[in-house]
Amino acid sequence: GQNIDQPTEMTATEGAIVQINCTYQTSGFNGLFWYQQHAGEAPTFLSYNVLDGLEEKGRFSSFLSRSKGYSYLLLKELQMKDSASYLCAVIPLGDYKLSFGAGTTVTVRA
Amino acid sequence: DVKVTQSSRYLVKRTGEKVFLECVQDMDHENMFWYRQDPGLGLRLIYFSYDVKMKEKGDIPEGYSVSREKKERFSLILESASTNQTSMYLCASSLLASGRAEDTQYFGPGTRLTVL
Repeated sequence: GQNIDQPTEMTATEGAIVQINCTYQTSGFNGLFWYQQHAGEAPTFLSYNVLDGLEEKGRFSSFLSRSKGYSYLLLKELQMKDSASYLCAVIPLGDYKLSFGAGTTVTVRA
Repeated sequence: DVKVTQSSRYLVKRTGEKVFLECVQDMDHENMFWYRQDPGLGLRLIYFSYDVKMKEKGDIPEGYSVSREKKERFSLILESASTNQTSMYLCASSLLASGRAEDTQYFGPGTRLTVL
């Protein structure tokens, strides 16, 4: 595997900000994906980073630093519907299959 | 919108039975995937197909086989189901294999299989 590490669980309050970190040990990769998965449902695509820096999409942003082997997903103005599992995944160089982290379950409380 | 459908949402089978899980995508995608998802282990790739009649083993192919006779359909077969194959099975498809954002995978709703 690609040793992709994410925290198992996080809890935050409605309206707050939460940052989900993803670290990986791989010699290189084409790009890094973030997916959202609600309980009992399929994962859905959130974001893709290929260059270092921040990609912003509304309330969600994703950051990548290749030199540090690190990415994060930032969720702002949390809503109850954001309660879900968030999966980090990479496509290693020379490969075309995604390798997934185990996912971070975010619980948003009122 | 890409649509990936799976034949069943819930399935209960007995040990030793042969099980077929069907997946169909309607966007002419080249690549199709079968994963299983278990608590604490995340998504693990079972098999992958990049073209009709072509298949490639993923990380955990033991106990499974696949079939891709048509571009839109990818089947996962459990030749003799065992209790340790109780899991959520997810099918996915993607357009290309270039490592770009366009390679994002689109997932089906999943089949929760219980083997008794």
